[in-house]
Amino acid sequence: NAGVTQTPKFQVLKTGQSMTLQCAQDMNHNSMYWYRQDPGMGLRLIYYSASEGTTDKGEVPNGYNVSRLNKREFSLRLESAAPSQTSVYFCASSEAANYEQYFGPGTRLTVT
Amino acid sequence: ILNVEQSPQSLHVQEGDSTNFTCSFPSSNFYALHWYRWETAKSPEALFVMTLNGDEKKKGRISATLNTKEGYSYLYIKGSQPEDSATYLCAPYSGGGADGLTFGKGTHLIIQP
Repeated sequence: NAGVTQTPKFQVLKTGQSMTLQCAQDMNHNSMYWYRQDPGMGLRLIYYSASEGTTDKGEVPNGYNVSRLNKREFSLRLESAAPSQTSVYFCASSEAANYEQYFGPGTRLTVT
Repeated sequence: ILNVEQSPQSLHVQEGDSTNFTCSFPSSNFYALHWYRWETAKSPEALFVMTLNGDEKKKGRISATLNTKEGYSYLYIKGSQPEDSATYLCAPYSGGGADGLTFGKGTHLIIQP
């Protein structure tokens, strides 16, 4: 039982490049989330998906897009990476909004 | 986005000692309070989800209490062990959907042998 998986684990991009972070969960959860974690800032919600086919903005959505491909998968896309997007990105899932969240291992992204 | 305060920001405790720290949040529009443990180089793991005023939850040597009327929760660790070293996050849920959960910045706990 893998839980929540994320790929890649590490990535270095140049300013202006694009990339997609992949996330998948095998717990049949309805809700999925993307967070970024920066020093001194805690976990901040980028986008979330309450159910298959729906996505909504979180606290810091600018510069990102998401796709809820199916119930299992929720991807995060950076169309034109900026140094301010250097961060550690976590994907999470839960049964519903108020249930405990299960986190993936994270993706460490550096934009130069 | 809620105003969530966790104190202290960091804490050094001798192995074997007991400790506690605080999460403060707005008492209005309260639905639930989550606690997570986040070990270095790993990802956050859920400890408790608490909903009722006066609720107390326990997992091994870790327990938590909740006061929704005054807007705070305490996390207690009894007989600290090196494996308890981690950052402990609280996150109040104010309802309204999946974006109703706001994470605090955490208390960084270091257990010294």
